[in-house]
Amino acid sequence: EAGVTQFPSHSVIEKGQTVTLRCDPISGHDNLYWYRRVMGKEIKFLLHFVKESKQDESGMPNNRFLAERTGGTYSTLKVQPAELEDSGVYFCASSQDARANSPLHFGNGTRLTVT
Amino acid sequence: AQSVTQLGSHVSVSEGALVLLRCNYSSSVPPYLFWYVQYPNQGLQLLLKYTTGATLVKGINGFEAEFKKSETSFHLTKPSAHMSDAAEYFCAVHTGGFKTIFGAGTRLFVKA
Repeated sequence: EAGVTQFPSHSVIEKGQTVTLRCDPISGHDNLYWYRRVMGKEIKFLLHFVKESKQDESGMPNNRFLAERTGGTYSTLKVQPAELEDSGVYFCASSQDARANSPLHFGNGTRLTVT
Repeated sequence: AQSVTQLGSHVSVSEGALVLLRCNYSSSVPPYLFWYVQYPNQGLQLLLKYTTGATLVKGINGFEAEFKKSETSFHLTKPSAHMSDAAEYFCAVHTGGFKTIFGAGTRLFVKA
């Protein structure tokens, strides 16, 4: 089966610009998660979709971040306007169900650099 | 609140030597524990997981981890390191709800 795919793999933008990250989960996985890792620190939860609904967005840093999952398939994460502290690696993950013992399947991440 | 602490951001071993990566967790309820590995330019892959039952869990590539409730630990070991084990390793805890909590990661270097 195809894995979780993320696009782009790298993005370099200037402060104040807008960037949109895309994630295609494994087919049939209703649960989709966004995580972020900033400069060698821990990987932090951003939000969780179940199909097209936001189940938990408590990790979203502020209202400059907007995540969508139209039709319950792929998801986008938009940062507008980007700030320097938004730099990091953004990971998307999916799982077939949200049970606590279900592992996450990760994409390769998008490395975002804001200059 | 749940948390995960990985002792040592970098660990270096010689090829053939024992690998020991330490992980301690904090949880108010019985946790589900995971180890993930990230190779360069790749996403995280599941190495092994503990849910219930046997406390010694075997994973891929010869790795294993032991859940010790009394010590709130879930250390990852491999008897003999191989060059291909060089990667970053993440310990994670999931205690229900929808969040997996990750440690800061330990980068493993393997010397020839």
